[in-house]
Amino acid sequence: DAKTTQPPSMDCAEGRAANLPCNHSTISGNEYVYWYRQIHSQGPQYIIHGLKNNETNEMASLIITEDRKSSTLILPHATLRDTAVYYCAIIQGAQKLVFGQGTRLTINP
Amino acid sequence: EAGVTQFPSHSVIEKGQTVTLRCDPISGHDNLYWYRRVMGKEIKFLLHFVKESKQDESGMPNNRFLAERTGGTYSTLKVQPAELEDSGVYFCASSQLDRLYGYTFGSGTRLTVV
Repeated sequence: DAKTTQPPSMDCAEGRAANLPCNHSTISGNEYVYWYRQIHSQGPQYIIHGLKNNETNEMASLIITEDRKSSTLILPHATLRDTAVYYCAIIQGAQKLVFGQGTRLTINP
Repeated sequence: EAGVTQFPSHSVIEKGQTVTLRCDPISGHDNLYWYRRVMGKEIKFLLHFVKESKQDESGMPNNRFLAERTGGTYSTLKVQPAELEDSGVYFCASSQLDRLYGYTFGSGTRLTVV
């Protein structure tokens, strides 16, 4: 299974951009990169996904390197409510998500 | 639109007992998935239904776990008999056949086996 590696924790100041890295060096050509986040006691919440092009939506931007071996999730103006565990995941085969360990992001006032 | 609903939200049972978790997907979502996270580990796939059929059950840990989805609507996950290592949070998710916008997860059932 393709695996993802993320730093266990990060801090970011409120109002600044939060950049969360993910390494997925064993990703296959047809596997998508997905990002989810989990706020305490809730289920994982979808943020964004991509294959090889950079993507942006109302929540975040996703930058995928040209060789697809890593990606960065960008929260452009972090707020206190963005404090959560952020998961980078690869979707394999018939829609099975393979999650990494996640990064615990703390937004500081 | 109602989200994915799971219940119970918490369950504490003794080793050797049976527990049944239920998941109600979003109406019209043919894909239904079960995942779990045990203490200190990453969220791991258990199985995937398309309507009432098991598409992929490669993540089911052993034959003490039985998942069903009668009629292609709600799903149950039964653990019988429960062991201590089954403790964790069990998540259900659903999606339409075109999955490109990601799954919607439920809030999970926290299972504690004592």
